[in-house]
Amino acid sequence: QVQLQQSGPGLVKPSQTLSLTCAISGDSVSSITAVWNWIRRSPSRGLEWLGRTYYRSRWYNDYAVSVKSRITIKPDTSKNQFSLQMNSVTPDDTAVYFCAYYDSNHEWFDPWGQGTLVTVSS
Amino acid sequence: SYELTQPLSVSVALGQTATITCGGNIGNKNVHWYQQKPGQAPVLVIYANTNRPSGIPDRFSGSNSGNTATLTISRAQAGDEADYYCQVWDSSTAVFGGGTQLTVL
Repeated sequence: QVQLQQSGPGLVKPSQTLSLTCAISGDSVSSITAVWNWIRRSPSRGLEWLGRTYYRSRWYNDYAVSVKSRITIKPDTSKNQFSLQMNSVTPDDTAVYFCAYYDSNHEWFDPWGQGTLVTVSS
Repeated sequence: SYELTQPLSVSVALGQTATITCGGNIGNKNVHWYQQKPGQAPVLVIYANTNRPSGIPDRFSGSNSGNTATLTISRAQAGDEADYYCQVWDSSTAVFGGGTQLTVL
């Protein structure tokens, strides 16, 4: 059974880079059926999917159009985890960020990480 | 861009039935529903329109017809108070509805 544990700072200054990590247990980040996602929730936008990474003979990424120019989702096979980096953040990026898993045979998000409140403020 | 429309809020009397709708160009897409309580991560309560994950009470049910998917919560309990989100995939993008706050009176 997959479990996800998030880590990363809760405060980021405007224009800087937000970095979060999601550690995986119960599966491999390189699993050929797993898909690893980042999702956020903010008062203004509700739940918003940010992007995903997955391995199918090589690594693939897909990103939401709204953040595509600013984010990178990367696997770390040595630590069995994946990360989110979002640059040039503004107060509008203040949100609770979640990592989430789905099996490519299923397509629904389950489970989710515990969530990290990230506040963008000077 | 693709959108899913949910009512902002729904109220239900204790023990009665709550209905939360999710509208959009759903067509033959699979709709999934998540429950989120304050300070917690979302929890899957219905997947692929009508299916309940293990551990979810059978008071939760789902349907999908035409352009509207529906989450029904029977015999509503105080513990069902939460935000509920529907979700589909459009091309390679996950799309969530705006969320519905369920209040149990």
